Amino acid sequence: NAGVMQNPRHLVRRRGQEARLRCSPMKGHSHVYWYRQLPEEGLKFMVYLQKENIIDESGMPKERFSAEFPKEGPSILRIQQVVRGDSAAYFCASSPRLAESNEQFFGPGTRLTVL
Amino acid sequence: SQQGEEDPQALSIQEGENATMNCSYKTSINNLQWYRQNSGRGLVHLILIRSNEREKHSGRLRVTLDTSKKSSSLLITASRAADTASYFCATGYGNKLVFGAGTILRVKS
Repeated sequence: NAGVMQNPRHLVRRRGQEARLRCSPMKGHSHVYWYRQLPEEGLKFMVYLQKENIIDESGMPKERFSAEFPKEGPSILRIQQVVRGDSAAYFCASSPRLAESNEQFFGPGTRLTVL
Repeated sequence: SQQGEEDPQALSIQEGENATMNCSYKTSINNLQWYRQNSGRGLVHLILIRSNEREKHSGRLRVTLDTSKKSSSLLITASRAADTASYFCATGYGNKLVFGAGTILRVKS
């Protein structure tokens, strides 16, 4: 049973370009979470999605960031017109349901570098 | 903010010694979890302790929870060089996990 998969693992973009980060949850998981980790900091929640629905986007920056989790295919975190401050590791996690335990299974992350 | 905080920020010990990391949080919780992150890698779930539990063991790991003090500790016994990593506590808060800034553990062989 494959774990959470993210690609690409490393992504380099120039300022002003777009970044697309993909996350395939564990088999049977219908809940996806995105977190961002700045250097030497803990993870910060960005958004929580179920299939075709954004449930909680309270951690998403108001502009340039969007997320989706379509009926088919991976979840996508999209960052438009990237700036240097977007450089970070972006982690996706999944869970089979909104379990009372909140246990989430994390992917290996995508490290975004903005030049 | 429910942000947890770990202390110490960094810990350096010799192989074979025990390592203790602490975590404090601010609001009521259903559970608290500990994760490990090796340098440049993803997070590995270590252990979950529920609010009605006081202590939990998993191999060389022992976690305690004191809800009256809103704090938890992670003890790694007989540490190994492979335990070198960052350790984070996380509290479940609605849909999301709220992480502390982590403790960087270095185990010297």
